[in-house]
Amino acid sequence: RKEVEQDPGPFNVPEGATVAFNCTYSNSASQSFFWYRQDCRKEPKLLMSVYSSGNEDGRFTAQLNRASQYISLLIRDSKLSDSATYLCVAHRGQAGTALIFGKGTTLSVSS
Amino acid sequence: DTAVSQTPKYLVTQMGNDKSIKCEQNLGHDTMYWYKQDSKKFLKIMFSYNNKELIINETVPNRFSPKSPDKAHLNLHINSLELGDSAVYFCASSQGRGNQPQHFGDGTRLSIL
Repeated sequence: RKEVEQDPGPFNVPEGATVAFNCTYSNSASQSFFWYRQDCRKEPKLLMSVYSSGNEDGRFTAQLNRASQYISLLIRDSKLSDSATYLCVAHRGQAGTALIFGKGTTLSVSS
Repeated sequence: DTAVSQTPKYLVTQMGNDKSIKCEQNLGHDTMYWYKQDSKKFLKIMFSYNNKELIINETVPNRFSPKSPDKAHLNLHINSLELGDSAVYFCASSQGRGNQPQHFGDGTRLSIL
């Protein structure tokens, strides 16, 4: 089982739609979580960190459920420019260890 | 100003050759990383250095040798290139040992002929 698992999609939605991505992680010691965005043939870019209490940044809301080892990203009022691959990321929880990336969920927003 | 820059952006070479990729960051971070993203788009950690000390080596073949002359630079040298080395290699940096967000360079696309 991979340490971070995501539904690869693709998710095809119209502009204005609300879309939710889910992610699970297997290492219960993981402490820090992030969502990154990667456009085609570009580098991953940090979208937002994920906090236990949940956090919102404009149209984006991230949630963390430690009991279920589950992370989610909700995008409201989708824009064409939201089309990208969204990477769920967990830190293994030990000093000196790496961030573990999921394989990504592809979103395509159409007009 | 580019925060994490890597050179070259594209590298096309023959099997068996030796090549290097360079990375520099101007963010003042103390930790740098090399990742490999293969054709299936899976992004996997290879190495990490914290203040010039190797802290992560994820069972990468010893044909790959990272070198960090100072905390702002992390280079990757690859000996005897193989077809399976074709991928995009990303450099990244962060402050602290891994649990902080990482900032990525724009990648080096390595193609082995």
